[in-house]
Amino acid sequence: DVKVTQSSRYLVKRTGEKVFLECVQDMDHENMFWYRQDPGLGLRLIYFSYDVKMKEKGDIPEGYSVSREKKERFSLILESASTNQTSMYLCASSFGPASYEQYFGPGTRLTVT
Amino acid sequence: AQRVTQPEKLLSVFKGAPVELKCNYSYSGSPELFWYVQYSRQRLQLLLRHISRESIKGFTADLNKGETSFHLKKPFAQEEDSAMYYCALLPGGSYIPTFGRGTSLIVHP
Repeated sequence: DVKVTQSSRYLVKRTGEKVFLECVQDMDHENMFWYRQDPGLGLRLIYFSYDVKMKEKGDIPEGYSVSREKKERFSLILESASTNQTSMYLCASSFGPASYEQYFGPGTRLTVT
Repeated sequence: AQRVTQPEKLLSVFKGAPVELKCNYSYSGSPELFWYVQYSRQRLQLLLRHISRESIKGFTADLNKGETSFHLKKPFAQEEDSAMYYCALLPGGSYIPTFGRGTSLIVHP
């Protein structure tokens, strides 16, 4: 059973703070993803990674960066948190290049005050 | 670029009524289409995939290439079907899906 875990379910940060969201998957998946989930806007892809140290921008990368030093771990970094980054953040992983199914983590509800 | 449209933000039905969640897409090639579901306080998970042509939890979805639609249907809704549903498209040869904005289904007792 694939397990994708995220470091926090709820997080409250102040404007300007540096924020780290961590995601770990235990199924040796090659691909990992970070999404924002906002009501009425659905899932929007922030960044994805198809291999260790490889990363690609998604649809809304501004204000975010990522790190993938190990295959199982994909971190999302908010360099200077702003109130408009208050959202639900979902991490997902999938097996490989031809993989169609994404496995999602439980999400991190981030509030920036 | 591909696009997925779910025209209804909210769909409200009574238990036992038929339900249809609409999904339209635009893509020039041959896509794979999926429905993902997120129940309250649970993680997002795959519900069904068009290629498998199977019924999951009583839901079916048929890919209509002529109308570029992939509507999700269930003949008799149950309260436990209440959830957020996302339609997703995977372009040919890609592993990066495009998601619709989601439809919240509420099934009243």
